[in-house]
Amino acid sequence: GQQVMQIPQYQHVQEGEDFTTYCNSSTTLSNIQWYKQRPGGHPVFLIQLVKSGEVKKQKRLTFQFGEAKKNSSLHITATQTTDVGTYFCLRPETSGSRLTFGEGTQLTVNP
Amino acid sequence: NAGVMQNPRHLVRRRGQEARLRCSPMKGHSHVYWYRQLPEEGLKFMVYLQKENIIDESGMPKERFSAEFPKEGPSILRIQQVVRGDSAAYFCASSLQTDYGYTFGSGTRLTVV
Repeated sequence: GQQVMQIPQYQHVQEGEDFTTYCNSSTTLSNIQWYKQRPGGHPVFLIQLVKSGEVKKQKRLTFQFGEAKKNSSLHITATQTTDVGTYFCLRPETSGSRLTFGEGTQLTVNP
Repeated sequence: NAGVMQNPRHLVRRRGQEARLRCSPMKGHSHVYWYRQLPEEGLKFMVYLQKENIIDESGMPKERFSAEFPKEGPSILRIQQVVRGDSAAYFCASSLQTDYGYTFGSGTRLTVV
């Protein structure tokens, strides 16, 4: 499957600071999904983006899908300690046979 | 409506033993995926199954690993003659259809001693 590059790999912030993680693909994506995994936990589905230029918000989280549908970002405003975890983007293959995850961005929040 | 159920949550095996990991997808979900996650690493695709069919096993090691999703009962990931390098968290995910959000189970943490 095609690679999905996710950056940064790690991010340490002070509580209250903003945080952004990016996913980049060399090929056009049909859609992209975002997941959060808490330490010791399992991935939890956050959202799916489908349309070019789409922006979706969930409270302090803002998800964007690029105009060319090759990149996506997740932005958290005013981080809290509950935001700690690893955020993964997921590129489903068009055939659905393989799900390719980015390597994830591990977020730590210092209180 | 129970989520994806995986058991056992923790499994300890000695080198050379067999490990059987079970996954019951959400009710009505017919697509099952298995992933492996090493400590501090991302999720690596292993296999994608639908009822009674292996659709894509390109992420599965050629030897010692097998998976099935029978008509009745849970999906099984089987690891024969385990080695220390098999120690990892194994997650199962299911979906109603492809290109949908995937629901993950809580995982099985396999430790090989």
